[in-house]
Amino acid sequence: SAVISQKPSRDICQRGTSLTIQCQVDSQVTMMFWYRQQPGQSLTLIATANQGSEATYESGFVIDKFPISRPNLTFSTLTVSNMSPEDSSIYLCSVQLGHEQYFGPGTRLTVT
Amino acid sequence: DAKTTQPPSMDCAEGRAANLPCNHSTISGNEYVYWYRQIHSQGPQYIIHGLKNNETNEMASLIITEDRKSSTLILPHATLRDTAVYYCIVRVLSRGFNTDKLIFGTGTRLQVFP
Repeated sequence: SAVISQKPSRDICQRGTSLTIQCQVDSQVTMMFWYRQQPGQSLTLIATANQGSEATYESGFVIDKFPISRPNLTFSTLTVSNMSPEDSSIYLCSVQLGHEQYFGPGTRLTVT
Repeated sequence: DAKTTQPPSMDCAEGRAANLPCNHSTISGNEYVYWYRQIHSQGPQYIIHGLKNNETNEMASLIITEDRKSSTLILPHATLRDTAVYYCIVRVLSRGFNTDKLIFGTGTRLQVFP
């Protein structure tokens, strides 16, 4: 199994600013994923981040808005840039180990 | 990509079996059926997965029809702590990089009542 931690657990940010979310895993993993969960909604995949390569973004998400870093096999960051109230969501990090995908506790972001 | 259809909500009495259905009529032969659940304010939790055969673990049983177009997750003795949103997901391969990703649908909100 994998234990995933995220920082911060929650934040309240001003419109137009940026926030970087950190994801730390207790195992070395090749694939990491970032999801967004808007209030009352299901999870939406933002991007897949493999160590040593550029992140692959899903339709509707772009690197300028959600830049991702993946410096090693246990760590990744997601930045939410130039935030607006529509970015208020829970952002979740996830990793693949074998046949299972594990999720972090999420970062609850509120943009005012 | 194959998609799934689930009822938006279900109720179940505590101690009874909860049977959660899922339709995945366009599933491909090598795609697995996965079930996750999300308890309020937590990250999703893996429950079980299967390809063709029925599967059982300490949490649940998964029944997949012979044509693989639908499946049922069974919680044999539901408790109040099983109240959650349950997601049925068909696993896909993305962009030829041989990476698998989970695409979540809307799920079923299961309410277990005393």
